[in-house]
Amino acid sequence: AQRVTQPEKLLSVFKGAPVELKCNYSYSGSPELFWYVQYSRQRLQLLLRHISRESIKGFTADLNKGETSFHLKKPFAQEEDSAMYYCALKTGANNLFFGTGTRLTVIP
Amino acid sequence: DGGITQSPKYLFRKEGQNVTLSCEQNLNHDAMYWYRQDPGQGLRLIYYSQIVNDFQKGDIAEGYSVSREKKESFPLTVTSAQKNPTAFYLCASSTGLLNTGELFFGEGSRLTVL
Repeated sequence: AQRVTQPEKLLSVFKGAPVELKCNYSYSGSPELFWYVQYSRQRLQLLLRHISRESIKGFTADLNKGETSFHLKKPFAQEEDSAMYYCALKTGANNLFFGTGTRLTVIP
Repeated sequence: DGGITQSPKYLFRKEGQNVTLSCEQNLNHDAMYWYRQDPGQGLRLIYYSQIVNDFQKGDIAEGYSVSREKKESFPLTVTSAQKNPTAFYLCASSTGLLNTGELFFGEGSRLTVL
């Protein structure tokens, strides 16, 4: 069965410090992974997808099939990065399986 | 204003009553979804619909029902058979079979059963 694990419920970093939000997955098929973000008083929205290999708002995430991980990283955290982050795994054609989320707080 | 509209935002019901949550979208999306969010459990898929008059059960469909009579609308009924209905419910839509992996979410409806 599929599983997405985000081991940290809460993560606090100082402004300007590097940040890494961990995501590990378990899936027998070919994985497609995504990061979603929910800022305060905003809707949950897509941040980035592994297949695009893009950097969004300074965030990157590399799919490591050997370690079954898809950690989200940013070299210098900003206050506006404070939000709830969800890692998601696409299973089959019509379902995104979400992790339990990590609340990131960037301390000024 | 384009997007997904869920109503009501807050709903209180007595135990044993059915309740229907509304979800409307004007994005011309074919697929629509209902997720349930509980503290510490992430989002879990209840039902999804790829096209009008068709819908499929997700991971936790028991105690819920849906309909898709119009492309724009995908209401969710929480029935009295749902053992633990108090939760936050999120509706979402996508352009098709999640080809890009992008779901567009509503603001959610919080249901409290007294």
